[in-house]
Amino acid sequence: EAQVTQNPRYLITVTGKKLTVTCSQNMNHEYMSWYRQDPGLGLRQIYYSMNVEVTDKGDVPEGYKVSRKEKRNFPLILESPSPNQTSLYFCASSLWLADTDTQYFGPGTRLTVL
Amino acid sequence: KNEVEQSPQNLTAQEGEFITINCSYSVGISALHWLQQHPGGGIVSLFMLSSGKKKHGRLIATINIQEKHSSLHITASHPRDSAVYICAVPSETSGSRLTFGEGTQLTVNP
Repeated sequence: EAQVTQNPRYLITVTGKKLTVTCSQNMNHEYMSWYRQDPGLGLRQIYYSMNVEVTDKGDVPEGYKVSRKEKRNFPLILESPSPNQTSLYFCASSLWLADTDTQYFGPGTRLTVL
Repeated sequence: KNEVEQSPQNLTAQEGEFITINCSYSVGISALHWLQQHPGGGIVSLFMLSSGKKKHGRLIATINIQEKHSSLHITASHPRDSAVYICAVPSETSGSRLTFGEGTQLTVNP
């Protein structure tokens, strides 16, 4: 089954404790992206990747890191999480560009930083 | 950055009613996405369109590139259509970046 998976689905952590949210897709997609969703602000792009070893900042990259060592995986790293990073996070992928191809979303990761 | 506005923010309808959700954007684009977010939080892509109209079941999406406006219509609405509907457009400078509307919360009552 074609899908985007994220882990964990729920996470409660404390300020400053490094964490990684994994994202994996099995569709051989070139493009992958991370978004956060907050009430009243909608979805905002954090980072995206056009291909292996190619990543770029979205609208809200501060406090996040990403890597794309393999085509299928695109982990989101919070080196020192803070309470303002409490949010619902989505990973997404598409065959190529976001403006020409259907986006496939993961199930979301609800993160709470205390 | 391409600004995206959706209306209405909230919409309550009775089962069977015809629904229209609107999306306006500020900068010319090559394509526009309509997404559906289920009450459980999952997001699925409904349509991606660059011109004219697309139809899938009871859902119809239209776009007017000149007027920078798109609409999502739901015919014969049903309670299972209750969800948040989100439109998204590419950044004016990069097709690799998407800007999202805040979404329209639709509730269809039986």
